[in-house]
Amino acid sequence: EAGVAQSPRYKIIEKRQSVAFWCNPISGHATLYWYQQILGQGPKLLIQFQNNGVVDDSQLPKDRFSAERLKGVDSTLKIQPAKLEDSAVYLCASSLERGAREQFFGPGTRLTVL
Amino acid sequence: KQEVTQIPAALSVPEGENLVLNCSFTDSAIYNLQWFRQDPGKGLTSLLLIQSSQREQTSGRLNASLDKSSGRSTLYIAASQPGDSATYLCAVKDSSNTGKLIFGQGTTLQVKP
Repeated sequence: EAGVAQSPRYKIIEKRQSVAFWCNPISGHATLYWYQQILGQGPKLLIQFQNNGVVDDSQLPKDRFSAERLKGVDSTLKIQPAKLEDSAVYLCASSLERGAREQFFGPGTRLTVL
Repeated sequence: KQEVTQIPAALSVPEGENLVLNCSFTDSAIYNLQWFRQDPGKGLTSLLLIQSSQREQTSGRLNASLDKSSGRSTLYIAASQPGDSATYLCAVKDSSNTGKLIFGQGTTLQVKP
């Protein structure tokens, strides 16, 4: 079974530029999560999708971050414009359903904002 | 609001030593607790998951315990090896079971040959 795929793996941009990350969850998984992990900290949930609907985006900085999950499969997370403090690893995870026992994580995208 | 804390932040031990990593959480109303391993530049690998009704889980040289009433979990690693060097994260899923995981900040372990 293929795991959660993410791209790109690394991205370096200058502040005020925009950037987008892509995630392909495990086939058949209805729930998709985006986490932000700042260096030295644990991951923090940014947004959670159930199929193509948003379940929780309470910690998403909506003035600059946006995310979508068209057709309930792949998802894209965008930052526009980026700030220095957005430098982090962005992890995508998926689970069979919202109350599923376990989440499976992708390798992450490391973003550096200069 | 649930908060998860891990102590120590970093740990360096000689190969072969048994060690304990600690995790504490402020709200005992959890659905489950999970321990993950994260290697540099990589994603998270699930090590052990303990349901709220369980007291411990074992996998090979790893043993995780859960004391919900005191808000604590420990990860015990027996006979540590250099390959165990990584960051270990604990995460709780709250009892509302929305799926959201709340993570501690991690313990970075170095096992020296």
